[in-house]
Amino acid sequence: AQRVTQPEKLLSVFKGAPVELKCNYSYSGSPELFWYVQYSRQRLQLLLRHISRESIKGFTADLNKGETSFHLKKPFAQEEDSAMYYCALYNFNKFYFGSGTKLNVKP
Amino acid sequence: NAGVTQTPKFQVLKTGQSMTLQCAQDMNHEYMSWYRQDPGMGLRLIHYSVGAGITDQGEVPNGYNVSRSTTEDFPLRLLSAAPSQTSVYFCASSYSFPSSYEQYFGPGTRLTVT
Repeated sequence: AQRVTQPEKLLSVFKGAPVELKCNYSYSGSPELFWYVQYSRQRLQLLLRHISRESIKGFTADLNKGETSFHLKKPFAQEEDSAMYYCALYNFNKFYFGSGTKLNVKP
Repeated sequence: NAGVTQTPKFQVLKTGQSMTLQCAQDMNHEYMSWYRQDPGMGLRLIHYSVGAGITDQGEVPNGYNVSRSTTEDFPLRLLSAAPSQTSVYFCASSYSFPSSYEQYFGPGTRLTVT
């Protein structure tokens, strides 16, 4: 069965510090993985998808099949990065979301 | 474009009552879905539709019905509300397969069942 785990409910860092939001998944096939973000008083929106191998707002995420992980990273956090972040796995028309990590970037 | 709209924004129901949460999109999207968001559990898929007339179950479909008579609308029906259905409900849509096309989310409906 598909499962997405985000072990940290809350992550607090200072502005300018590196950020890593952890995501682990369980899936027997080749996963399609995503990060979604919800800023305060805004709708949930797509941040990035692993297949695109893109960097969005300075964030990157690498799929590590050996460790079954898809951690989200940013070298220098900004205050505007404070938000709720969800890792999600897609399989045959269905998304499976993790429980989310709240990132708080302190000035 | 209004994007994805949901009504109502807030609703309080008594146990056993029924109601319909409305979801509409004006982007001609084929794929639509309903999620519930509970503290500590993230979003869980309730039902989804890949086009008008086609619906299927998600992760947590019990107690909910859906239909898709038009491309634009995807209502979610609670047949007999239970306190366990207290949650925030999100509707989402995408042009086609949501792995290839971005999902657009609605603002959510906060439902309380007493």
